[in-house]
Amino acid sequence: DTEVTQTPKHLVMGMTNKKSLKCEQHMGHRAMYWYKQKAKKPPELMFVYSYEKLSINESVPSRFSPECPNSSLLNLHLHALQPEDSALYLCASSHPGRENFGYTFGSGTRLTVV
Amino acid sequence: QKEVEQNSGPLSVPEGAIASLNCTYSDRVSQSFFWYRQYSGKSPELIMSIYSNGDKEDGRFTAQLNKASQYVSLLIRDSQPSDSATYLCAVNTNAGKSTFGDGTTLTVKP
Repeated sequence: DTEVTQTPKHLVMGMTNKKSLKCEQHMGHRAMYWYKQKAKKPPELMFVYSYEKLSINESVPSRFSPECPNSSLLNLHLHALQPEDSALYLCASSHPGRENFGYTFGSGTRLTVV
Repeated sequence: QKEVEQNSGPLSVPEGAIASLNCTYSDRVSQSFFWYRQYSGKSPELIMSIYSNGDKEDGRFTAQLNKASQYVSLLIRDSQPSDSATYLCAVNTNAGKSTFGDGTTLTVKP
């Protein structure tokens, strides 16, 4: 299995809703990432988990809450989002300490906040 | 100065030509360098990685790295319309995270 699976593929949520994005990989990667990508912009790092522990938080607002329940799963909990948070949310994975092998990205969740 | 800068696009080449994409980076301790291809509406896909000075070839793709000049490039030979996409340069440091350039959009015209 060489894939990173993200669900849902599309999500529309109101500013008062609570929702979660899910990411799953079975490649034995022990580093997992959340990136946010706006249209015609590069991916921006949000969070890094290494061996199921949060290692990097790029000063992301608390309305985004990551969770890594086990080595295969990564969640992003969303609460009280703003319309400007609408974007493509990408999950990626890699071997920690072997980042020189690059990332495998999931297909992304396209989020619209209304 | 941006951490990773790519040559401004868009870049348009005729089918069969060589497409040349360039990237410079500011952090001298950067260790690993990547090129990702991203089709419109899709997620990035890793196409090349390079860690040592010199050239690395994979099929029609050649990555070139010059650490002294802090420069990495991607050459696409015999360009095909299916190569039309945005190409993202990414750089890793010891911190274990990738920083991406803004991307260069390539169009290959039949």
